[in-house]
Formats: sequence, structure tokens, C-alpha cells
Amino acid sequence: AQTVTQSQPEMSVQEAETVTLSCTYDTSESDYYLFWYKQPPSRQMILVIRQEAYKQQNATENRFSVNFQKAAKSFSLKISDSQLGDAAMYFCAYRSYYTDKLIFGTGTRLQVFP
Amino acid sequence: GAGVSQSPSNKVTEKGKDVELRCDPISGHTALYWYRQSLGQGLEFLIYFQGNSAPDKSGLPSDRFSAERTGGSVSTLTIQRTQQEDSAVYLCASSARDDQPQHFGDGTRLSIL
Repeated sequence: AQTVTQSQPEMSVQEAETVTLSCTYDTSESDYYLFWYKQPPSRQMILVIRQEAYKQQNATENRFSVNFQKAAKSFSLKISDSQLGDAAMYFCAYRSYYTDKLIFGTGTRLQVFP
Repeated sequence: GAGVSQSPSNKVTEKGKDVELRCDPISGHTALYWYRQSLGQGLEFLIYFQGNSAPDKSGLPSDRFSAERTGGSVSTLTIQRTQQEDSAVYLCASSARDDQPQHFGDGTRLSIL
């Protein structure tokens, strides 16, 4: 069975600085998708970024980028120029190519200080 | 509406009662998912509907949990004889196709007294 591990329960960063959130996963599959979701206090899960495992190029969405290391089964999220609105819970998630359910890590709470 | 809509937003009920949680997916989305988020935890998959196919119920924790999706749109998650460990936020998501990202609602916070 696949598992997702987020080893940082909490992280903090100063506004305008850069922070990296860690995620590792375990799978025997070669085709899959990886995601980072943001969950503000409103509870809604917001998709931040998505990576297909077959793509070697790291995904980027504006200030958000990932470092995808397939051999190491690592999928970290880098937030550049952090903003106060980035404060939230961040969840890493795995989706097999063959099934549709998402498997989530336990999350990292990010605090952003002015 | 533009997004996934869930109701009620909050539900408080007594142990042993039955509850129904509703999810209205994004119009045109064929896939619908239910997840449970216990306090301080990540999301746990419960059930998945895709079109007219038989649902994937592999995540339902017990036979007290059931879900249906009527007309390929609105879904209802039912918990019978609620227990305190059922207290959690129940999140619904929908996607246009299996390979498209899931869009989540705001969830229903269920509290069992």
C-alpha cells in the first residue's frame, strides 16, 4: 500500500522569505501523480501544484515550485517570496495512475510572520 | 454554483443518532469523492463515484457508513448509529474526469456528543 509522510508538523517563515516543505512517499508503482494542497481555516482544500511522475521537469506555479526526486521518492514544495496569505495547512498527496483516490500525508502547518 | 457545495456546514448530534451529509458537485463533474479528516490528521478516503459505475467503497470504515449518488449529481453520505469516533470534518470533492484534479468543498464538521 502507498503511504505519504510529512515529517514537519509545523514550519514558520518570515514574509518575503523562502520556505521548503518536505514530503516523502512509498510506492512500488512507476506511474502516479503527486499533489500539494493548501487548507486555510475555511477548511476548503485548494490545489497548489501537481506533478506527473513520468515528467522529469519539476512543476512550477508562480511562487510555488516542487523538487521531485523520483528515485528518492521525495516531493518537496518550495514557496518563494512568502506572503501572509500563504499561512495554512499544507498537505502532500499521492494518486496512483490506476486508482482515483488520493492518499494524504498528515500535513504541515505553515505560519508566516510579518 | 461555481464550486463544490456541502451541507450542513456544521452538525452536532447525539451518539446513536443517524446523520446525513450532502454534497453538490461542480456541474458536469462525473467523479465524486468523500474523505474524512479527523482532528490533526490528513484526509482519509471513504468512497468514490464515477458516472454509472459501481462505487469504490473500499475506504468506508464500517457498515454504519453508506453513500449514494442520485442522478449522477448530488451525493449523500449517511452515518447510522453515530459514535464519538465519527466526529470529524467530512470533505467532498469532484473532478471532471478521473485524471483531472479534485476540487473540494468546505466540508461538514460533524460533532458527536
